[in-house]
Amino acid sequence: GQSLEQPSEVTAVEGAIVQINCTYQTSGFYGLSWYQQHDGGAPTFLSYNALDGLEETGRFSSFLSRSDSYGYLLLQELQMKDSASYFCAAPNSGGYQKVTFGTGTKLQVIP
Amino acid sequence: DVKVTQSSRYLVKRTGEKVFLECVQDMDHENMFWYRQDPGLGLRLIYFSYDVKMKEKGDIPEGYSVSREKKERFSLILESASTNQTSMYLCASSFPPLTSGRAGYGNEQFFGPGTRLTVL
Repeated sequence: GQSLEQPSEVTAVEGAIVQINCTYQTSGFYGLSWYQQHDGGAPTFLSYNALDGLEETGRFSSFLSRSDSYGYLLLQELQMKDSASYFCAAPNSGGYQKVTFGTGTKLQVIP
Repeated sequence: DVKVTQSSRYLVKRTGEKVFLECVQDMDHENMFWYRQDPGLGLRLIYFSYDVKMKEKGDIPEGYSVSREKKERFSLILESASTNQTSMYLCASSFPPLTSGRAGYGNEQFFGPGTRLTVL
């Protein structure tokens, strides 16, 4: 099977930096994606790491360490609109086109 | 812009009814997916399709079936709705992933707005 573990909730202050962790257990691994979902909205793709290291896209960065089976999403200069749920996701080893999602982290940004 | 649309935002059905949820995408994606989303459980894959008339079971296919007669359209069918199928249903589509795994192509799924189904 495949499982991705995330903290259920994180609270951070506007303007600060927050890190959302994801640890995974898979029998094969192709990479880690991150999605954002606002309440009542659809998940939207943020980033994908196929290789170890940091990928930066504006205020958001995503990191992957294959040796540690671990990744994280880093949000800088937090804004109120960043309050949302964040999901990590990984393609299944048994069928590369299928994706397993983590249970999600609800981020609350406070003034 | 990629657009994935779902037939209804809210749906209320009675136990035992046959329910059809429809999803349409306009980007010529080969892959289409149906998920259900429940609090604390994240997104769980019900079925996916990688081509017309082709389908594969996801993690929780019991009680569901799917149909893909045209590339742009993927339907989820609840043969006999039950109360434990009350949930948010999300459709998604994507291109097939590249073996190179380059970011942004093939690994990105585009989601519809979701259908909140209540079974009474």
